[in-house]
Amino acid sequence: DQQVKQNSPSLSVQEGRISILNCDYTNSMFDYFLWYKKYPAEGPTFLISISSIKDKNEDGRFTVFLNKSAKHLSLHIVPSQPGDSAVYFCAASAMYTGNQFYFGTGTSLTVIP
Amino acid sequence: EAGVAQSPRYKIIEKRQSVAFWCNPISGHATLYWYQQILGQGPKLLIQFQNNGVVDDSQLPKDRFSAERLKGVDSTLKIQPAKLEDSAVYLCASSPGQRRVQETQYFGPGTRLLVL
Repeated sequence: DQQVKQNSPSLSVQEGRISILNCDYTNSMFDYFLWYKKYPAEGPTFLISISSIKDKNEDGRFTVFLNKSAKHLSLHIVPSQPGDSAVYFCAASAMYTGNQFYFGTGTSLTVIP
Repeated sequence: EAGVAQSPRYKIIEKRQSVAFWCNPISGHATLYWYQQILGQGPKLLIQFQNNGVVDDSQLPKDRFSAERLKGVDSTLKIQPAKLEDSAVYLCASSPGQRRVQETQYFGPGTRLLVL
């Protein structure tokens, strides 16, 4: 049972434009969400997180938006750079499960120079 | 600050053989996780340790997988005997473990296992 879903396996964007990566979840108890970035042959690297008490969190070029009613979050990258080309995973957890993360299947982002 | 270390980086074995992976977490991190990532999927938690105790091993196939963290620092994950479907990347992660609520997990580079 996939509780966190990333329905777009891949995304291509021109350099300088906005990249929008989407993530949906089914468990209404999830209250903490993260985005990880993964380059080939490396482990996932933490990018940005958001708690369910917020609907937006921003860090430089990266912004995460949370829509609790729709059980949807998105990652915006503005402006996109070639170095952003990687696989992006969203993850979610619920306080009652401690720190167990549930990951989506990932979206491969390609930023075209 | 050194990150999470894992070895080996790659391993090829035949089915029914055994294999072991090693992980050294970030210094001072009390919580350690092992994940399995099958090609095209997201990481799936196998086991979570808090110091040297198991917090969650509900998704660990205990008939063939075992893990230990005897001194509360580094950890080993073993598969015996291996099956073809165990081919995956095995990721180790750690977090400070200072709070009961959610913490960011920091991942190692992973061990890529191929079972032939």
